[in-house]
Amino acid sequence: DQQVKQNSPSLSVQEGRISILNCDYTNSMFDYFLWYKKYPAEGPTFLISISSIKDKNEDGRFTVFLNKSAKHLSLHIVPSQPGDSAVYFCAASEISSGSARQLTFGSGTQLTVLP
Amino acid sequence: ETGVTQSPTHLIKTRGQQVTLRCSSQSGHNTVSWYQQALGQGPQFIFQYYREEENGRGNFPPRFSGLQFPNYSSELNVNALELDDSALYLCASKAAANTGELFFGEGSRLTVL
Repeated sequence: DQQVKQNSPSLSVQEGRISILNCDYTNSMFDYFLWYKKYPAEGPTFLISISSIKDKNEDGRFTVFLNKSAKHLSLHIVPSQPGDSAVYFCAASEISSGSARQLTFGSGTQLTVLP
Repeated sequence: ETGVTQSPTHLIKTRGQQVTLRCSSQSGHNTVSWYQQALGQGPQFIFQYYREEENGRGNFPPRFSGLQFPNYSSELNVNALELDDSALYLCASKAAANTGELFFGEGSRLTVL
């Protein structure tokens, strides 16, 4: 049972346009959400996060929106650049037993920004 | 600031063998987690160590075990390797056990034949 879903395996956008990556989750106990970017042959790199008490967080060209009632979050990249081409993973977190915070990842979306 | 480093980067084993993967945490981080990423999937949580104790575990069998050392470096051990264990194994560290943001290493690519 996938608790975090990224239903679009790939997305192509033109340079300068907006990229919108979507993510849905099912576990209502998730209270912290993150986006990671992954280039080939590298580990995932943290991009941006949002707490469940907020509905928007912005960092430069990257904005994450959270809709708790719909259990949906999205990452907006404006303007998109060719260097943004990578696999983007959505992840969600909850406090589990032992005070550990594990991340549950989606399956990723390959973003390709065309020059 | 030194990031998370993992070794080896690639290795090939045969079914039934045992493997040990190693990880050095980012400087100042006392919590380390291990994730398995199969081809075409997102990383899956194996376990987390905080102050040398396992304090969280995902849905992985006991043949997946780990250690954390006083310098916060870590090992992942997998016994009785199966073909489905072929994956990228990612180590990640963070500054405290109850925070969400993880810093990942580049991973160890394990192939089981």
